[in-house]
Amino acid sequence: KAGVTQTPRYLIKTRGQQVTLSCSPISGHRSVSWYQQTPGQGLQFLFEYFSETQRNKGNFPGRFSGRQFSNSRSEMNVSTLELGDSALYLCASSLDGGYEQFFGPGTRLTVL
Amino acid sequence: LAKTTQPISMDSYEGQEVNITCSHNNIATNDYITWYQQFPSQGPRFIIQGYKTKVTNEVASLFIPADRKSSTLSLPRVSLSDTAVYYCLVGRMDSNYQLIWGAGTKLIIKP
Repeated sequence: KAGVTQTPRYLIKTRGQQVTLSCSPISGHRSVSWYQQTPGQGLQFLFEYFSETQRNKGNFPGRFSGRQFSNSRSEMNVSTLELGDSALYLCASSLDGGYEQFFGPGTRLTVL
Repeated sequence: LAKTTQPISMDSYEGQEVNITCSHNNIATNDYITWYQQFPSQGPRFIIQGYKTKVTNEVASLFIPADRKSSTLSLPRVSLSDTAVYYCLVGRMDSNYQLIWGAGTKLIIKP
């Protein structure tokens, strides 16, 4: 069974731009969560989507948004990028939002 | 929110048993305790999850005392490939979703 895939793996953007990251969950998984990982803040929960609906949301500004498609694939968008948005963005999928999540390799975003 | 505290780093040797303790004094009744492992340039990998007492699977054991204010991840007979960062999570994934990741423990296994 294929694991969680994320594209692109690396991305360089400049301040003020916007970016879209993509995540394909494990086949059959309906829950997709997004996390931001930085050396200073560690792993922080962004949001979770389940059956195309945002079910839970972390404490991030509205510049961070996401969506989920009918095939459970998910995208995350960050608008008006700031230097502090430089991070590893991780996507995780699970069958129904349980504690055992399967993570992708992440997208390394660098904002210059 | 239940904040977690873990040692920043630990060293051990191949073949030894390693115990990593996580403190979570403000754990709530509905919170579960989960541990993940992360290697460089990879996403975290689920190890084990529990609510109380002891849970064991093929790779680790999780000990949770009666007051649930701490938990200990036990890795039996570690190898060099167990060198990684280990995260303790406390929280719940129900309608009142709250999941707090600890800062992680960098475990280094020496030959």
